[in-house]
Amino acid sequence: QSALTQPPSASGSPGQSVTISCTGTSSDVGGYNYVSWYQQHPGKAPKVMIYEVSRRPSGVPDRFSGSKSGNTASLTVSGLQAEDEADYYCSSYAGSNNLVFGGGTRLTVL
Amino acid sequence: QVQLQESGPGLVKPSETLSLTCTVSGYSINSGHYWGWIRQTPGRGLEWIGSIYYSGDTYFNPSLKSRVTMSVDTSKNQFSLKLKALSAADTAVYYCSRFTSAAGFAAYWGQGTLVTVSS
Repeated sequence: QSALTQPPSASGSPGQSVTISCTGTSSDVGGYNYVSWYQQHPGKAPKVMIYEVSRRPSGVPDRFSGSKSGNTASLTVSGLQAEDEADYYCSSYAGSNNLVFGGGTRLTVL
Repeated sequence: QVQLQESGPGLVKPSETLSLTCTVSGYSINSGHYWGWIRQTPGRGLEWIGSIYYSGDTYFNPSLKSRVTMSVDTSKNQFSLKLKALSAADTAVYYCSRFTSAAGFAAYWGQGTLVTVSS
């Protein structure tokens, strides 16, 4: 069982917005602004989409945004496109140089 | 462009030790950043194993700490993972990555290598 809790699935139609949650505790998500989100297509390595809660690496579309409230972080994908269909994982610094992940959410574009 | 490539056996017997190496190109390990390993299983998703700085300082997942060692060879621009006392639960795809800090986010990933633990 993963340290962070994500819904197993999410879906939306092209053009819509979808939000994926990532729930932890005050010892990880709630305690630090070091939440990251990764996108993984089948057979590929994960790719970082968001870091430090809401920062986007260069090259990541601004359709992807991140936020945090208390012990729950969220990834929002706006203007859904077919290529956004993938697995999404959150991670958080958990203190004492420890990193934890969520179990992943499969995003389906209907 | 930073590139990472894992190498090692695809099949290891239970109770034995897994040894994996990650070769880095496009960036000198000596220049900084943290280098580490993440594994992925169907049942447990992604799991951070640990990371190492070029100086040799190491940081491990508490749940794996007793079985993990990591090392870095700056002359070859490589870093390595050893995981001992393997069981079927260690069957996974193992990725090497470059981290922004000891337990930060992984900005660069290798393609991953499947390791199966079976007799």
